[in-house]
Amino acid sequence: SALTQPASVSGSPGQSITISCTGTTNDFDDNNYVSWYQQHPDKAPKVLISDVNKRHSGVSNRFSGSKSGITASLTISGLQAEDEADYFCSSFTGSNTVIFGGGTKLTVL
Amino acid sequence: QVQLQESGPGLVMPSETLSLTCTVSGAPISIYYLSWIRHSAATGLEWIGRIYNTGNTKYSPSLESRVTVSADTSKNQVSLKLNSLTAADTAAYYCATGDRSSFDNWGRGILVTVSS
Repeated sequence: SALTQPASVSGSPGQSITISCTGTTNDFDDNNYVSWYQQHPDKAPKVLISDVNKRHSGVSNRFSGSKSGITASLTISGLQAEDEADYFCSSFTGSNTVIFGGGTKLTVL
Repeated sequence: QVQLQESGPGLVMPSETLSLTCTVSGAPISIYYLSWIRHSAATGLEWIGRIYNTGNTKYSPSLESRVTVSADTSKNQVSLKLNSLTAADTAAYYCATGDRSSFDNWGRGILVTVSS
């Protein structure tokens, strides 16, 4: 089954929000292979974060990742209108497969 | 920079087999791990499977009995076959490069509808 994410979060411009991503010990395999993606409507996903907290080339430093136990988190600071999108986490499991979260819709108020 | 382009039918009948192709340009597929991933409004993103540069494959346990991913290095293409289709397989299908859970290059995707 998918990693667990909140269905939706919202925030005002300039605020910070955090999206959680919870799995099982097998989902995360006690490793740091967690990634985060941003997807705008009818567009391909774009990787933001790899290996829990490594920002992909060209990604704003307003995006940051962390992980504690079986919960990973994506924090977006200084919210901007363009951040409104769906966000997905993913993990490389102990079975060498990939599992995604159910996705979180971010609304910028 | 590497570019990926999915191609195939946009409409497939239930119980039939979906065949999609991912054409890679800008680099040989032999240097990449390539995955197929799909997205639907109902289920979000779902990883289907991966082919390694060795030719070895790994599939999602939930789809393993119905899926085959293969590569044609002479055409620089990777293919996806998914059989016994149902309406639940309706989704946008993407190919992407990347290792572990990080996919850095994606195709534009192809929308596949399963319907009679």
